[in-house]
Amino acid sequence: SQTIHQWPATLVQPVGSPLSLECTVEGTSNPNLYWYRQAAGRGLQLLFYSVGIGQISSEVPQNLSASRPQDRQFILSSKKLLLSDSGFYLCAWEAGAYNEQFFGPGTRLTVL
Amino acid sequence: AQSVSQHNHHVILSEAASLELGCNYSYGGTVNLFWYVQYPGQHLQLLLKYFSGDPLVKGIKGFEAEFIKSKFSFNLRKPSVQWSDTAEYFCAVNGGDMRFGAGTRLTVKP
Repeated sequence: SQTIHQWPATLVQPVGSPLSLECTVEGTSNPNLYWYRQAAGRGLQLLFYSVGIGQISSEVPQNLSASRPQDRQFILSSKKLLLSDSGFYLCAWEAGAYNEQFFGPGTRLTVL
Repeated sequence: AQSVSQHNHHVILSEAASLELGCNYSYGGTVNLFWYVQYPGQHLQLLLKYFSGDPLVKGIKGFEAEFIKSKFSFNLRKPSVQWSDTAEYFCAVNGGDMRFGAGTRLTVKP
């Protein structure tokens, strides 16, 4: 069966520091992968999605970037974190013909 | 662009009460519809989904949802809630891109 991993689970970083969040999927090949940010009362905001290695689409211009160096690996990065980057980041992969998405456990990022 | 609206931000119910959470979307084409649930401290997980066929779909834990095409709605229902249903519920619509509602926090009092 397919599983999705995210790490770290929690992260506290100072303003201006770099960021790297990792997401890996097991049990499937060539998945569509997604990064979302979840904010209280605002649902899930799609940040990036990828349909294959090296292919990244950005939904919202911001201080973050994404990369997909391997088929089942999706990385969310920043060169210099802002306070507004604090939030709960979710990685998801998409299955089947009906675009069902399955989510990882998330990373709680606090920027101080 | 498609959007998803969930009418209730926070719903508080007593155990055994009936639940209905509203979800409306704006998109003119064919859509796939989903309800996700996030229990405290757990992953976001799929509760139920609608792709085609019978507009009344049943999901896990006694939940159901009805797709009313003319109203662009996909409301979630449960006849009798339990304390363990306390969670945040998200409606999602995929008409090419997956879009989520803002979520409804359900608190069930024992």
